Amino acid sequence: QQPVQSPQAVILREGEDAVINCSSSKALYSVHWYRQKHGEAPVFLMILLKGGEQKGHEKISASFNEKKQQSSLYLTASQLSYSGTYFCGTETFMNRDDKIIFGKGTRLHILP
Amino acid sequence: DAGITQSPRYKITETGRQVTLMCHQTWSHSYMFWYRQDLGHGLRLIYYSAAADITDKGEVPDGYVVSRSKTENFPLTLESATRSQTSVYFCASNSYPAGELFFGEGSRLTVL
Repeated sequence: QQPVQSPQAVILREGEDAVINCSSSKALYSVHWYRQKHGEAPVFLMILLKGGEQKGHEKISASFNEKKQQSSLYLTASQLSYSGTYFCGTETFMNRDDKIIFGKGTRLHILP
Repeated sequence: DAGITQSPRYKITETGRQVTLMCHQTWSHSYMFWYRQDLGHGLRLIYYSAAADITDKGEVPDGYVVSRSKTENFPLTLESATRSQTSVYFCASNSYPAGELFFGEGSRLTVL
């Protein structure tokens, strides 16, 4: 079952912050975040495992609330290079068979 | 070169024809995946494999066949292509459960 991402699309000006959410109806073992530029393959950003950890990658960080089966991706002081589609991928406890199911994506457009 | 490669990158075929998309990785990753990407649906898992000779269905397996006789190869076959299978197909691999996914460049398939 696909995780649900919100919002579907965001338009920001350079320097503004954004939050992308990912939620699942099932207990999560891990959450992946990827970014995809138009016409390219998705590129890995980070993985969060159960335990409520938060990770960072330059000005991009994420949190994972396993009790709520939710993860959020935080982009601070956004740059033009952050434009693209962001996908969360989840692995659930029920499906500890290592398959990763992705949400429909959040399109992020950064204006100069 | 090391990495994960897909072929062909572009393919146009007709309804009812058989098509095979190839995926080859040089890392000896245990896990391999096939996703299709369509506007409005994000990335949907078709089939995945945990090791040679072990494959399992994903979210949208109907109309597709996979095999994995060697660790490095994971071909995806459309036995009788339909227009609804027009899509961009991504192969991916990782080396351990819940690990970072490495994506191929994608294969754009058009079924007329």
